[in-house]
Amino acid sequence: NAGVTQTPKFQVLKTGQSMTLQCAQDMNHNSMYWYRQDPGMGLRLIYYSASEGTTDKGEVPNGYNVSRLNKREFSLRLESAAPSQTSVYFCASRGLALYEQYFGPGTRLTVT
Amino acid sequence: QKEVEQDPGPLSVPEGAIVSLNCTYSNSAFQYFMWYRQYSRKGPELLMYTYSSGNKEDGRFTAQVDKSSKYISLFIRDSQPSDSATYLCAMSLTSYDKVIFGPGTSLSVIP
Repeated sequence: NAGVTQTPKFQVLKTGQSMTLQCAQDMNHNSMYWYRQDPGMGLRLIYYSASEGTTDKGEVPNGYNVSRLNKREFSLRLESAAPSQTSVYFCASRGLALYEQYFGPGTRLTVT
Repeated sequence: QKEVEQDPGPLSVPEGAIVSLNCTYSNSAFQYFMWYRQYSRKGPELLMYTYSSGNKEDGRFTAQVDKSSKYISLFIRDSQPSDSATYLCAMSLTSYDKVIFGPGTSLSVIP
């Protein structure tokens, strides 16, 4: 099992460009999450999907959109990147009635 | 006031020391408490979890929850250089609810 995979691992964008971060899990988990991690701020929830077909905003959703494509895949889209979106992005998944979240390796995004 | 607060450190200790990491929180409804360990340039991994109040021990690690004080702790005994990482506390209302993370404490264990 690969667990949670994320692509790409690194990305540099210019202000105003768009991109989609991909996430997939092979653990048959219902819930999936997107976080961003900035120095001194910890992990902040952007969006989450409690089950296939549902998505909800987290703490910092502005400037992002998500798609829960199927049970395995949950993508995060930046429509018009801004320097404030420079961060490390983590995808995570969680099984039904389980406390543990499994994290992907992260995507390091720089917006210039 | 942030929902979960944690001293960011960095904390530097000699090998073999006992380490105490702490978090405070504001929402008394939290029931599930977790500690994640994150090595540099990696995703977080669950280290320990506790439901409601009390202690839990796993090898060199002990997690404590004091709900009356809204305070949780992680103790590491006989610390090793391999324990050098950032430790994130986390908590949630239920086992399937969103998880709120603290900012993390950076720990270095010096050989």
